[in-house]
Amino acid sequence: EPEVTQTPSHQVTQMGQEVILRCVPISNHLYFYWYRQILGQKVEFLVSFYNNEISEKSEIFDDQFSVERPDGSNFTLKIRSTKLEDSAMYFCASSGTSGLSYEQYFGPGTRLTVT
Amino acid sequence: AQSVTQPDIHITVSEGASLELRCNYSYGATPYLFWYVQSPGQGLQLLLKYFSGDTLVQGIKGFEAEFKRSQSSFNLRKPSVHWSDAAEYFCAVGAPRAGGFKTIFGAGTRLFVKA
Repeated sequence: EPEVTQTPSHQVTQMGQEVILRCVPISNHLYFYWYRQILGQKVEFLVSFYNNEISEKSEIFDDQFSVERPDGSNFTLKIRSTKLEDSAMYFCASSGTSGLSYEQYFGPGTRLTVT
Repeated sequence: AQSVTQPDIHITVSEGASLELRCNYSYGATPYLFWYVQSPGQGLQLLLKYFSGDTLVQGIKGFEAEFKRSQSSFNLRKPSVHWSDAAEYFCAVGAPRAGGFKTIFGAGTRLFVKA
């Protein structure tokens, strides 16, 4: 069964550094997402991406964050200058083969630790 | 605005006992409802979903959920809990968008299973 993959599984970085989290969505999906889960808290929507542009973003997704689909298979989340409060599990998801599709497939997550 | 409430932060049940996890949602249109399970440090696994039709939905691992529109509820049930069911359970409501789909998660209920 096709699945969403994410790399790395765990990333440790120093405050102020840039990080790039990588995701390979399911190959024929059209819609891509990032969610975040701070330890012990609920999963929160960050951004959705369709047709090579952001379709929706939350208030968490400020100018420090960006997303890109650089090569037609990978989907990345970049944090320009990490802060301690960016420490969280980041989940990538994808959905949809055509039109609207109501089920998102989540990856296993990348745990980001900012020290 | 859409929201999900899981009133129980944690629940403890004995192995073999029945389980019901509560979920209430707020959504203006026909809701798309989900239950996910998350083991510690792991990703999100979809247990079941409701989009339309029969209000009693069967999922994986012996779980079921019932959609009750009049109560805005989507409670998760299992007739006999196994020790391996100990995990965090998230109820979620999905909101279709032109640019994809947005999932709003509840705060989660942690299930403890005692022998």
